[in-house]
Amino acid sequence: DAKTTQPNSMESNEEEPVHLPCNHSTISGTDYIHWYRQLPSQGPEYVIHGLTSNVNNRMASLAIAEDRKSSTLILHRATLRDAAVYYCILRDTNFGNEKLTFGTGTRLTIIP
Amino acid sequence: KAGVTQTPRYLIKTRGQQVTLSCSPISGHRSVSWYQQTPGQGLQFLFEYFSETQRNKGNFPGRFSGRQFSNSRSEMNVSTLELGDSALYLCASSLGGTVGFDEQYFGPGTRLTVT
Repeated sequence: DAKTTQPNSMESNEEEPVHLPCNHSTISGTDYIHWYRQLPSQGPEYVIHGLTSNVNNRMASLAIAEDRKSSTLILHRATLRDAAVYYCILRDTNFGNEKLTFGTGTRLTIIP
Repeated sequence: KAGVTQTPRYLIKTRGQQVTLSCSPISGHRSVSWYQQTPGQGLQFLFEYFSETQRNKGNFPGRFSGRQFSNSRSEMNVSTLELGDSALYLCASSLGGTVGFDEQYFGPGTRLTVT
């Protein structure tokens, strides 16, 4: 599986935007970029995914570099509830590949 | 609709015993995956079942096994428990029939403690 690299931790002030980076220099053409987050004492939850173009949903935005070797998860206005560990994951598009390979993720702390 | 449920939520076992964990996926989901989460190793993929067949497998010893029933419910079994098996075991379900953008939904996990 192609690997991702994320900072171990980040801090952000409440109500400010947060940019969480992810490097994936060995990404293949068929890899989707997924983001999951794990809130304290809960299972991971899906945040967003993309292939080549930038993506937006109600939770966040995903900005993908033109060469696809890096991406950034953007939380537009962080709340205390966004404090979690964020995982950047590459998933092959082959049929039936449900496996998620989690790295160490980024622990995001929100400062009130 | 109801989310992924896992039972039991907490379990204490003794070394050498075996344990069975249960996972009920979201209605309509045919794929169930299992993960082990420990402070040292993080989240690691155990295996995935789709339509009662194991479709993907991680790098865990044969003491870890699973099965899926016709209603998509899944069980995971760990035999001859070791202290290192103490972990949070997470189950995730998804539709399973599409390519790599299938969203996975995780349950709250079962916290297993081996003494």
